[in-house]
Amino acid sequence: RKEVEQDPGPFNVPEGATVAFNCTYSNSASQSFFWYRQDCRKEPKLLMSVYSSGNEDGRFTAQLNRASQYISLLIRDSKLSDSATYLCVVNLYNFNKFYFGSGTKLNVKP
Amino acid sequence: DVKVTQSSRYLVKRTGEKVFLECVQDMDHENMFWYRQDPGLGLRLIYFSYDVKMKEKGDIPEGYSVSREKKERFSLILESASTNQTSMYLCASSLSLTDTEAFFGQGTRLTVV
Repeated sequence: RKEVEQDPGPFNVPEGATVAFNCTYSNSASQSFFWYRQDCRKEPKLLMSVYSSGNEDGRFTAQLNRASQYISLLIRDSKLSDSATYLCVVNLYNFNKFYFGSGTKLNVKP
Repeated sequence: DVKVTQSSRYLVKRTGEKVFLECVQDMDHENMFWYRQDPGLGLRLIYFSYDVKMKEKGDIPEGYSVSREKKERFSLILESASTNQTSMYLCASSLSLTDTEAFFGQGTRLTVV
């Protein structure tokens, strides 16, 4: 079983739409959680960390549900520039390893 | 800004060659990682290192080895390259065991022919 599972998409949405991605993780000992963004042919870059109480950064909102072992990312008022692959990442402190989901592709269309 | 630099963007090597991929970070990070990224499989951890001369196997270490002689440099070695090692290789570093982000190099696209 994969450590982190994501719907690969693609999600095709019009500009201005709200879109949400979920990601599930298998290890209940996971300690920290992130969303990374990866543009085509580029390296992944941190979009935002995910905190237990949920957190927001402009149009982006991240939520963590430890009981059900999933994290979510909500993007409001989608822009063309949001088109990318979004990677869900969990970190196990004891092993200091980052586990990446295979990514969810988002296409925002005019 | 943290900078993680990989020595090559593109490499083409022949089957059986010994291949070295180099990675350097400039922020005194303790931890360094090598991943490969393949379509539909995402990023898979090959090896990581939490200190100089220390290394741990990741999820897919077979066919690879690593070297960390200096804190800033982490090398991935393909002992005898094979066509199934054709992939995008990404190096990353992170500060410590606490919940800090991983910073990635720009990636090396390796083709083994």
